Amino acid sequence: NAGVTQTPKFRILKIGQSMTLQCAQDMNHNYMYWYRQDPGMGLKLIYYSVGAGITDKGEVPNGYNVSRSTTEDFPLRLELAAPSQTSVYFCASRADTEAFFGQGTRLTVV
Amino acid sequence: DQQVKQNSPSLSVQEGRISILNCDYTNSMFDYFLWYKKYPAEGPTFLISISSIKDKNEDGRFTVFLNKSAKHLSLHIVPSQPGDSAVYFCAAVGSSNTGKLIFGQGTTLQVKP
Repeated sequence: NAGVTQTPKFRILKIGQSMTLQCAQDMNHNYMYWYRQDPGMGLKLIYYSVGAGITDKGEVPNGYNVSRSTTEDFPLRLELAAPSQTSVYFCASRADTEAFFGQGTRLTVV
Repeated sequence: DQQVKQNSPSLSVQEGRISILNCDYTNSMFDYFLWYKKYPAEGPTFLISISSIKDKNEDGRFTVFLNKSAKHLSLHIVPSQPGDSAVYFCAAVGSSNTGKLIFGQGTTLQVKP
C-alpha cells in the first residue's frame, strides 16, 4: 500500500496563479484532512472531509477550496495564489484513531 | 482561538533521562488525543494515542497521561534517546460526528548524548 500520496512535492507559483495540490489515499479511510505548516509553527487545519461528498472548513480556510468526489482523492485548490500561502502543505487520512500523513508539498508564492 | 496548546516551544534533555512534553486543550468534547513526531522535510508520524475515557496509555518507552479535569495531557519518554530529537505535536479529535483533528503548535525536543 502506498498510504497517503501527495503531488507535487515542490512548486513555485507566481502571485495570482492557481493550482491544485493532489492527495490520494489507498486505505479506504473516510476522514481526510489538509493542513499547512508555516516555518516554526504548528499544523493549521485548512479543510477536512468525513466522507465522499462532504467537506467542511477548518481553522484557516480562506483562499482555498476542496472537493471530495471519491473516497480516495481530496484535492486542495488555490485560486489566486498570494505570498501568504507560501507554506508546507500536508494531507492526511484517518479511519478510526490515528491519522496517516503524506510527505508534504512545499509551495512558494513569489 | 487555539483549542490545543503546547506552551513550551522547546525542551532539551540528557540522553537516558525522562522527557516530559505537555499539552493543554480547551474543548471538553474532544474524544481522544494523539501524539505525533515530526522530522524536518517529512510528514508527521503517529506515536501514541489515548481515549478520553482513560487516564494513561503506555507503549514501550512512551506513556501518555490525561487529566480531564485540568484539560491537560503529557507525553513521557523514558529513557530519552538522541534519535528522539524531533518536533512533537499533540492533537485532539472532535466528537465522532465532526471528525475534526486539531493540532498544537509543537515542541522541539533535543536529546543530548
